[in-house]
Amino acid sequence: AQTVTQSQPEMSVQEAETVTLSCTYDTSESDYYLFWYKQPPSRQMILVIRQEAYKQQNATENRFSVNFQKAAKSFSLKISDSQLGDAAMYFCAYRSAKGGTSYGKLTFGQGTILTVHP
Amino acid sequence: NAGVTQTPKFQVLKTGQSMTLQCAQDMNHNSMYWYRQDPGMGLRLIYYSASEGTTDKGEVPNGYNVSRLNKREFSLRLESAAPSQTSVYFCASSELWTGENNSPLHFGNGTRLTVT
Repeated sequence: AQTVTQSQPEMSVQEAETVTLSCTYDTSESDYYLFWYKQPPSRQMILVIRQEAYKQQNATENRFSVNFQKAAKSFSLKISDSQLGDAAMYFCAYRSAKGGTSYGKLTFGQGTILTVHP
Repeated sequence: NAGVTQTPKFQVLKTGQSMTLQCAQDMNHNSMYWYRQDPGMGLRLIYYSASEGTTDKGEVPNGYNVSRLNKREFSLRLESAAPSQTSVYFCASSELWTGENNSPLHFGNGTRLTVT
């Protein structure tokens, strides 16, 4: 079974600065997908960014980018020019690329609470 | 476009009571999922339905049952609620998983359930 670990329960950053959230995962599979979800106080789960394991290029979405290290099984999220609206819980998640019994379900890490200071 | 709709948003139950959490999606998705969120544990999968007519256990199914009523609706039932089931429950849906399409999960806004 796959596991996802987020070792930073809480992180903080000053507005306009850059912060990196860590995520490691354990899997024996070679094909899979990785995601970062954001959960603001409203409880809504918002997809931030996704990465296909077969792609060497790191995914980017505006101020959000990832550092995907497949050999190290590491998938960190970098938030540049942090804004007050970035304050939220962030979850890293793994999804097997196998069809069949995996049925597309996500395995989540424990979450990291990000505080943004003005 | 409503996406994934969960009801109720909040619920308080006494130990031993039963209730059903409702979930409906209007995106014509085949697959639906129920997760629970607890502090320090992230989201854990309770049950999922790969397609209409099928359901399977996830990581933490004990104490729960599900029904895939039709393609749109996937309900979660607690037959005899226990304090350990105090949690936030999320329903999610996605396109049918083939392993090649990286369609994301779309989540509802959650139900906060307290069992006293």
